[in-house]
Amino acid sequence: SQQGEEDPQALSIQEGENATMNCSYKTSINNLQWYRQNSGRGLVHLILIRSNEREKHSGRLRVTLDTSKKSSSLLITASRAADTASYFCATDASGAGTALIFGKGTTLSVSS
Amino acid sequence: DGGITQSPKYLFRKEGQNVTLSCEQNLNHDAMYWYRQDPGQGLRLIYYSQIVNDFQKGDIAEGYSVSREKKESFPLTVTSAQKNPTAFYLCASRIDRGTEAFFGQGTRLTVV
Repeated sequence: SQQGEEDPQALSIQEGENATMNCSYKTSINNLQWYRQNSGRGLVHLILIRSNEREKHSGRLRVTLDTSKKSSSLLITASRAADTASYFCATDASGAGTALIFGKGTTLSVSS
Repeated sequence: DGGITQSPKYLFRKEGQNVTLSCEQNLNHDAMYWYRQDPGQGLRLIYYSQIVNDFQKGDIAEGYSVSREKKESFPLTVTSAQKNPTAFYLCASRIDRGTEAFFGQGTRLTVV
């Protein structure tokens, strides 16, 4: 079962523009994470936001969390060609287990 | 260097064969995970383990088996019962629920 669903599925922008990706989830969460995947590689953790936080920054990344709407957004400012990758949100499955559930991802293409 | 290592990077399986994918971590993490990724798709959870000698099925466990005899190792066997095993397999580990996950570089399995 996919807990998170990213939107849009694909996004194409020019260098210097901002990129916004959204994630919606189904059940209540304690935290939400964003990961990046370059083509054919493993995922790399970007940022974790806890349920009592509304916004978090890391360099050019800004993540927001709206628990009332069960949604999160990832904003990449001043995009670069090197930001081209797939981006996934992930949440801990409800219950006591440690399963980490990922969405289907947004594929971002940044052209120079 | 601490990290998580998957091997081999590429694996070819004949019809009817079992194959085992290796995943080793030296991060002292308790939780380990196996995911399957099909082209253009998100990550689907196969199995996960919270502690040594314990593991749980994920969403697509049929045709797969795992073991967790050591904290550092979580091998995945793709059995002949898995009818469509061609995919990219990712292993991950983390300390516990609510923490970031670290991923290996993946194993690409192809049925020939």
